[in-house]
Amino acid sequence: DGGITQSPKYLFRKEGQNVTLSCEQNLNHDAMYWYRQDPGQGLRLIYYSQIVNDFQKGDIAEGYSVSREKKESFPLTVTSAQKNPTAFYLCASSKRPGQPNQPQHFGDGTRLSIL
Amino acid sequence: SQQGEEDPQALSIQEGENATMNCSYKTSINNLQWYRQNSGRGLVHLILIRSNEREKHSGRLRVTLDTSKKSSSLLITASRAADTASYFCATDALGSNYKLTFGKGTLLTVNP
Repeated sequence: DGGITQSPKYLFRKEGQNVTLSCEQNLNHDAMYWYRQDPGQGLRLIYYSQIVNDFQKGDIAEGYSVSREKKESFPLTVTSAQKNPTAFYLCASSKRPGQPNQPQHFGDGTRLSIL
Repeated sequence: SQQGEEDPQALSIQEGENATMNCSYKTSINNLQWYRQNSGRGLVHLILIRSNEREKHSGRLRVTLDTSKKSSSLLITASRAADTASYFCATDALGSNYKLTFGKGTLLTVNP
C-alpha cells in the first residue's frame, strides 16, 4: 500500500541537542511538506519542497532545517536553536507541485518532547 | 498566519444527528479543502471544492462554498461514533504558490 511513513512516533530531545525526524513516501509524489501542530491549534508550515534538491521556508522555519536528496525522503532536523520544540510534527506530500487543486496526504506524525 | 477559522471550536451531538461546521477565510482562493484528524493521528483529506463550485457531495459529506462571504460549511449527515474527530478547513489562497493554510479546527464528538 502506498503511503507516508514518519518515524519515530515519539522522540525526546535533550537540551542543546539536534534531532532528526524521518519522513518517507512511496506515492511517487513530487512535493513534500513539514508542519508543526501545537495543542488545540491548526497546522503551521515549516518547510516545503517541490522537487529533489530544492526546498523553501514556510511560515516558521527558524530553528529547523531540511534536505531533499531523494524524491522519497524529506527529513526534518530540529536544531538546538529551536527553543520551544515540543509539538506534534506532521509530514505531507502532494502529487504535482505548482498546480492548483492538489490534496495533501499525511503521515501519522512524530510527537517531540523536551527531556 | 491563519487564513481559515472554523466555527464552532467544539461540537457534541448524538449518533444519527447531523453535524455542521463552518469555515471563514480572508483572501481569495483557488480552492478550499476539508480534512479530518483522529486523536494522535495524521490528517485525512475529505473533500476539495474549487472556487468556481458552490456545492459538493461525497457520501455523507456535503460541502458548500460562498466566495462572496468567504465562507464554507461542512455537513456530516447521520453521524456515527466513528465520525468523532477534529475537522480542519484549509485554503489554497491565490498567489500562495498552492500552499495550504489551515484553520484551528472543530472538535466533533458523536455520542453513541
